[in-house]
Amino acid sequence: ILNVEQSPQSLHVQEGDSTNFTCSFPSSNFYALHWYRWETAKSPEALFVMTLNGDEKKKGRISATLNTKEGYSYLYIKGSQPEDSATYLCAPFYNTDKLIFGTGTRLQVFP
Amino acid sequence: DTGVSQDPRHKITKRGQNVTFRCDPISEHNRLYWYRQTLGQGPEFLTYFQNEAQLEKSRLLSDRFSAERPKGSFSTLEIQRTEQGDSAMYLCASSRATNQPQHFGDGTRLSIL
Repeated sequence: ILNVEQSPQSLHVQEGDSTNFTCSFPSSNFYALHWYRWETAKSPEALFVMTLNGDEKKKGRISATLNTKEGYSYLYIKGSQPEDSATYLCAPFYNTDKLIFGTGTRLQVFP
Repeated sequence: DTGVSQDPRHKITKRGQNVTFRCDPISEHNRLYWYRQTLGQGPEFLTYFQNEAQLEKSRLLSDRFSAERPKGSFSTLEIQRTEQGDSAMYLCASSRATNQPQHFGDGTRLSIL
């Protein structure tokens, strides 16, 4: 059973604070890492798909890095806004052709 | 791109009944996935289609569960003789290729009384 761990489990920050989350995953047979944002009452939305060690991707105020050798990825949000409140899910993709989701980090940004 | 649509959004049924959910993927996506999500957990993989072929099925999927994707377009997930433990959000996703992001529907929330 592949174990994907995300930390922290939940996070409460003030508007304007920057924040980061961690995703740890087994590195053997790794193929790619997906990050998704899941807002309440909506469907999960893809943020990034990362494949290369050292990869760094950015989308607006959100960025992510990837270390495939040690099996971790960081997601950063700069200047958090209330609309960033959501659950952030990481999901590594192995040669089994399916995503293995972590339990997510629940972010709440207070105005 | 009209997105992935799932029907129904909510289903409440008595234990022992059969239920069927439908997923319409994005039209040009040949890969279709089903996931189940329970409170406090991330989505768990159930099964996966490439076109009409069901290529993988999780061992979470007991014999009471069956999925089809006739003609490689929409898919159905049927649960027979539902049990209380089947209560969950059932999500469908589609993608163009293995290494492309998956596009999710809004899910079907199943409640077993």
